[in-house]
Amino acid sequence: GENVEQHPSTLSVQEGDSAVIKCTYSDSASNYFPWYKQELGKRPQLIIDIRSNVGEKKDQRIAVTLNKTAKHFSLHITETQPEDSAVYFCAAKNQGGKLIFGQGTELSVKP
Amino acid sequence: NAGVMQNPRHLVRRRGQEARLRCSPMKGHSHVYWYRQLPEEGLKFMVYLQKENIIDESGMPKERFSAEFPKEGPSILRIQQVVRGDSAAYFCASSPPARANEKLFFGSGTQLSVL
Repeated sequence: GENVEQHPSTLSVQEGDSAVIKCTYSDSASNYFPWYKQELGKRPQLIIDIRSNVGEKKDQRIAVTLNKTAKHFSLHITETQPEDSAVYFCAAKNQGGKLIFGQGTELSVKP
Repeated sequence: NAGVMQNPRHLVRRRGQEARLRCSPMKGHSHVYWYRQLPEEGLKFMVYLQKENIIDESGMPKERFSAEFPKEGPSILRIQQVVRGDSAAYFCASSPPARANEKLFFGSGTQLSVL
């Protein structure tokens, strides 16, 4: 069935280090992959997205890579700052047009 | 342009009561989605609606749950005869017509607590 697996569930890094969060998806027809950031008690907010015809996309300190063959995609945050601390969710739009979310990664950036 | 508006922010119900959650999409958005979030879990898809139409309700329990998005007014997620297991955060999202199931803008959510 439709499934998006996300790892790790928690991630702790020192300020200035990089953070990488990985997701795998099961529906090979998936063609759209967004990432959302949810701060404590707040709404999820879209931070970056990528389509299946692109291998990599970058926006300042955030980048996303996609490997269609392996059916996985990753979020990379460089030069992390304390305000990057939040729960990050990956998602994949499946063939049926539904957005399926991963379980989330709680990122802690220690000053 | 106001964002996605959900109310109430917090809703407390006793077992057996009804819960009504409201969502007004962003201006110009005609697609509405409801997701449920349990503590330390991801967002679970419930239902996808357009004006006066349910497009996909595959994530919604068959009993007690219903959703609508009328021609006028907000989208409503209705839970009848609530049970403790219904306690969760319910998020509504909307997207523009050209980006169905993409570029979702979320509301602040309704935290439902069932006593």
